[in-house]
Amino acid sequence: DTEVTQTPKHLVMGMTNKKSLKCEQHMGHRAMYWYKQKAKKPPELMFVYSYEKLSINESVPSRFSPECPNSSLLNLHLHALQPEDSALYLCASSLLGQGEKLFFGSGTQLSVL
Amino acid sequence: GDSVTQMEGPVTLSEEAFLTINCTYTATGYPSLFWYVQYPGEGLQLLLKATKADDKGSNKGFEATYRKETTSFHLEKGSVQVSDSAVYFCAFNYGGATNKLIFGTGTLLAVQP
Repeated sequence: DTEVTQTPKHLVMGMTNKKSLKCEQHMGHRAMYWYKQKAKKPPELMFVYSYEKLSINESVPSRFSPECPNSSLLNLHLHALQPEDSALYLCASSLLGQGEKLFFGSGTQLSVL
Repeated sequence: GDSVTQMEGPVTLSEEAFLTINCTYTATGYPSLFWYVQYPGEGLQLLLKATKADDKGSNKGFEATYRKETTSFHLEKGSVQVSDSAVYFCAFNYGGATNKLIFGTGTLLAVQP
């Protein structure tokens, strides 16, 4: 299994809603990532988990709350988002070490109304 | 600081034409270099990589050579197909505890029959 699975594929939410994005991998990767990608832009790193511990937070607003319950799962909890948070949210995983590639999921397309 | 510069797109080619997408990087250490491809509505897939100077990465007819002296990693393909139409991202990382990827802005390739 060389897949990173993200659910849901599409999500529409209001500014007062609470929702969660989910990501799962079974490749034994100990690093997991959340990226945000706006249209026609490169992905921007949001968070990195290494061995289930948060190792990088790229100054992301607190309305985004990551969680890594175990080595296979990564969640992103969303609360009180703004319309400008509408984007494609990509999860990725990798082994740790020089030259290790990231495996990306197909993303969740989020629209905030 | 660390950065990747890619040629601006879109790049429009006829089928069977030769492709070059230029990529240069600015890095303080000795990074590994990657090309990722993103098809419409999908996540990113690794196309090829090189982990040290003079390495050539290759996959599906695409090639790129790690040139330390010119800090470049240009992507080439001898004969493009319509199915190669996608956005191509050049990227690098240092590996280690977080494996953070630094992306270029992406280059849209459109191949016409």
